Amino acid sequence: QLQLQESGPGLVKPSETLSLTCTVSGGSISTSSYYWGCIRQPPGKGLEWIASIYYGGSNYYNPSLKSRVTISVDTSKNQFSLRLRSVTAADTAVYYCARQLKVSNWFDPWGQGTLVTVSS
Amino acid sequence: QSVLTQPPSVSAAPGQKVTLSCSGRSSNIASNYVSWYQQLPGSAPKLLIYDNDERPSGIPDRFSGSKSGSSATLDITGLQTGDEADYYCGTWDSSLSAVVFGGGTKLTVL
Repeated sequence: QLQLQESGPGLVKPSETLSLTCTVSGGSISTSSYYWGCIRQPPGKGLEWIASIYYGGSNYYNPSLKSRVTISVDTSKNQFSLRLRSVTAADTAVYYCARQLKVSNWFDPWGQGTLVTVSS
Repeated sequence: QSVLTQPPSVSAAPGQKVTLSCSGRSSNIASNYVSWYQQLPGSAPKLLIYDNDERPSGIPDRFSGSKSGSSATLDITGLQTGDEADYYCGTWDSSLSAVVFGGGTKLTVL
């Protein structure tokens, strides 16, 4: 079945760039109707959607993060990636990847998540 | 502060029914589909309900969703201890142009 796996740095220094890669297995990322999204969850807090991308490259961002975020897709590797610039401690969170049905905006399945801590 | 409002916690006894609420406004719940997610302790969220009231395959019919105006509800019947989790609602907000989630409700099965 379709699975997503996040890979991230674990620890990032303040003001640096967080890079997250999501690998899709058990299916193709080049699937019509579906986008691929990134969602984060600070420790003990709720979910926050960051960005989403279609295999063709069309993307959209959470306006609150848009100035610092870039999402991209590599169909040859069945992966999509997120870059978050100028991070602060407030960006410490578990980062999830998920498949998204754009027309209804639901996410399924989700990856297991990866904790990224911003600290010097 | 979340765009969608959920009660922080709810508790009920095993076997009982519980209703979780999610309140929004005209730009989000009232005009877009709502989804619900279950997050067991230490795990990733899992889709429970999509398109307001549809269940993915494998989700028991003890879980049901509904929407009325700018509010949505998730009903869980025949509560089990394994249902103890955080539950999140989500939807699109047309004014913000963003996917938004509620702050989550922690369900305790006493």
